[in-house]
Amino acid sequence: GAVVSQHPSWVICKSGTSVKIECRSLDFQATTMFWYRQFPKQSLMLMATSNEGSKATYEQGVEKDKFLINHASLTLSTLTVTSAHPEDSSFYICSASRRAAVTDTQYFGPGTRLTVL
Amino acid sequence: GENVEQHPSTLSVQEGDSAVIKCTYSDSASNYFPWYKQELGKGPQLIIDIRSNVGEKKDQRIAVTLNKTAKHFSLHITETQPEDSAVYFCAASSWGIKAAGNKLTFGGGTRVLVKP
Repeated sequence: GAVVSQHPSWVICKSGTSVKIECRSLDFQATTMFWYRQFPKQSLMLMATSNEGSKATYEQGVEKDKFLINHASLTLSTLTVTSAHPEDSSFYICSASRRAAVTDTQYFGPGTRLTVL
Repeated sequence: GENVEQHPSTLSVQEGDSAVIKCTYSDSASNYFPWYKQELGKGPQLIIDIRSNVGEKKDQRIAVTLNKTAKHFSLHITETQPEDSAVYFCAASSWGIKAAGNKLTFGGGTRVLVKP
């Protein structure tokens, strides 16, 4: 159990376009989903925390108008990178915490590699 | 906020030997400490976790120890195998204590190479 999927696994887009990444919890309901960004050979950087039915909470320095997060259901959260530029190229990873769990274990998706040309 | 430091950044061991990775944290309110394994091009996979009411936890070849007084915790991998080669991340959170307690703060990662 506790499987998280992401789609697409990789995407290449032109500068100025928008890209949507989906994160799904396949076999559990996720009250909270998290979005991370990871540069090569670096650790995970939390971008935002998303609770179902409410607005996402962004970390300091993360532009909320550029990285739009929607958590419309207990199994789906989306990250839209708007007007993408080459510096947005990165590995984006989501994670999800089980609903009503006694712990805050986060289960991670496989990641989405975004390349902006 | 919480700060987690992880050492070493790289670790090379011979197959069959043990590997130890250490992390220190700064926030005494932290009470949950997971370890993740990340293979190249993939998302992190939870391999073991420990809570502050426990000093040690073991799962087959993997064990984690926690010293709350010193604010450090360690991952021990025994009888290492080539498939253990990956990047390992420690993390900490203060679940149930703070409003944002479910956020994980990650260490910088340790690249482990197990040589056959």
